[in-house]
Formats: sequence, C-alpha cells, structure tokens
Amino acid sequence: KAGVTQTPRYLIKTRGQQVTLSCSPISGHRSVSWYQQTPGQGLQFLFEYFSETQRNKGNFPGRFSGRQFSNSRSEMNVSTLELGDSALYLCASRGGGSQETQYFGPGTRLLVL
Amino acid sequence: QQQVKQSPQSLIVQKGGISIINCAYENTAFDYFPWYQQFPGKGPALLIAIRPDVSEKKEGRFTISFNKSAKQFSLHIMDSQPGDSATYFCAASTRYGNKLVFGAGTILRVKS
Repeated sequence: KAGVTQTPRYLIKTRGQQVTLSCSPISGHRSVSWYQQTPGQGLQFLFEYFSETQRNKGNFPGRFSGRQFSNSRSEMNVSTLELGDSALYLCASRGGGSQETQYFGPGTRLLVL
Repeated sequence: QQQVKQSPQSLIVQKGGISIINCAYENTAFDYFPWYQQFPGKGPALLIAIRPDVSEKKEGRFTISFNKSAKQFSLHIMDSQPGDSATYFCAASTRYGNKLVFGAGTILRVKS
C-alpha cells in the first residue's frame, strides 16, 4: 500500500496570507489527524477527521481549520498567517475503530515571512 | 494533565551500547503508549507501542518497559547502531489513539 502523501512538501508564504495543505491517507483509512511540529512546542495535535466529521480538536486558534472529503482525503487551511505559524505540518492516517496506529506522512514545511 | 514528559533531551551512546529514553505521564485515562522514530526531513514512524495491561513488550532490539503505578514508560534500544541515530518521541493517547500527546523528543546519536 502507498503511504500517506502530503502536498505540497514546501511552501513559503507572507504574513496575512492564507494557505491550504493537502493530505491523502493510506487507502482504506478513514481517520486523518493533523499535527504541527515546531522546535519550541514540539508535536502538537491540531484536529482529527473521521468520515468527513471533525471528531477532536486541539488548542489552536480558529484560523486553523480543516475538512475531509468523501474519499478520506483531507485539507487543512490556515488563514491570516503569522510568523509563528512557520512549522512542519504533519498528517497521520489511521484505520479507525480499534486500530490505534497512526501512520505519518512526510509533512509540509511552511515558512511564513 | 495532558502532558507527557520525556528525558533526556539528547543522548550519545557508543555503538553496541544500550540507549534508554524515559517518559512520564499524569493522565490516568491514557491507554495507548507508542514510540515514534523520526529522521531529518521525514515524518515520525511508529517503532513499537504498548497498552497498560502488559509491563513489557519487545520487538527486535526495541523494548518498552511500562510501570503503571509510577505512570512511567521507557524505551530501550539494545545493541545501538549508528543507523539508530534519530529523534525519538514517546506519546500517549486515550482509547483508540485518535489524539496523540507527544513528549518533547530525544535526539539520539550513536557513535561508531
């Protein structure tokens, strides 16, 4: 099976812009979670989607949003970018139900100037 | 209560030695404890995971020891190799693992 894919891999934006990141989960996986990784805060949970519904949300401002499509692909959007949003954004997919293992993609490196 | 505390921050081990990384948690609702390995430029990859109903789990050179009463768990890497040089993260989640809480990470360097 192909792994989790994320596009784009690298992105440079300026403050105030918005950005959309995409994640394609492992075939058959219905749960997609997003994490932010920074040197200062480490890996932090953003949100999880399952069957097109947000099931769980971390402590991030409303500028961070996401959605999931019927084919389980997910997008996350960050509006009004701030310098502190520069990070590696990781997507992880999971089979759902009792299947606990989350499989991570390579991430999208976002730099906000 | 959602935190997972990981130590040490960095670790240097000689080739063939044992690498030990420790984690502690507070939330007794945590039910699933995975360890992830991350190489530069890559996403974290699951190494090994444990549930609190067992005290130890071994997969190849990697062993998790779990102490439920102390709310601590640790990763042991036996016969450490230069290829093991990476950042290791412990994590915890409640049942079904849909929200992982990560430790701060340990940068392991294995000297040849």
